[in-house]
Amino acid sequence: DGGITQSPKYLFRKEGQNVTLSCEQNLNHDAMYWYRQDPGQGLRLIYYSQIVNDFQKGDIAEGYSVSREKKESFPLTVTSAQKNPTAFYLCASSIGPGQTANTEAFFGQGTRLTVV
Amino acid sequence: EDQVTQSPEALRLQEGESSSLNCSYTVSGLRGLFWYRQDPGKGPEFLFTLYSAGEEKEKERLKATLTKKESFLHITAPKPEDSATYLCAVNSGYSTLTFGKGTMLLVSP
Repeated sequence: DGGITQSPKYLFRKEGQNVTLSCEQNLNHDAMYWYRQDPGQGLRLIYYSQIVNDFQKGDIAEGYSVSREKKESFPLTVTSAQKNPTAFYLCASSIGPGQTANTEAFFGQGTRLTVV
Repeated sequence: EDQVTQSPEALRLQEGESSSLNCSYTVSGLRGLFWYRQDPGKGPEFLFTLYSAGEEKEKERLKATLTKKESFLHITAPKPEDSATYLCAVNSGYSTLTFGKGTMLLVSP
């Protein structure tokens, strides 16, 4: 079955530690995205990538980093510089980049990160 | 800057009581409007894409419509399993979607 897999589903981190969230897709999509969701707020874009080895900052990139070494994978690292990392993180992908991208994005099941 | 406003924030219906959710948007040039359903603790599930004013799409008890300024998600004779948060998003030709905050729908038996 094609889809987007995020792991782990739940993640606990001590303050001051970096942590990496995994996102893998087998939909052969070029574009991938990371969103953060907090209670009462909409989805906010952290980073996105339209092609391998290239990515752009979204609205709330501070304290996060990403890589796109393979088309299928787009891991997100939450660094110790992120002041409020506790949130629900969602990875998504869509067919193509740029101006022709009026196509839907498909989401993974999310990772809930809690800082303890 | 693209903006999306959804109303109401929350809606409680009795089973069988039809209603509509609203999504108002401001974009420089709409390339697509998207509706998603999100269950608690899960990722959003794609429902519909609308591209131009006057367009309508249906799926079971859901019907989405689009005008030049807003979209409606009509729910006909809802059932408890329709309870979820419904998200609206727009694409104005850039590479990403702009989301509203969602409408939390609760359908009571």
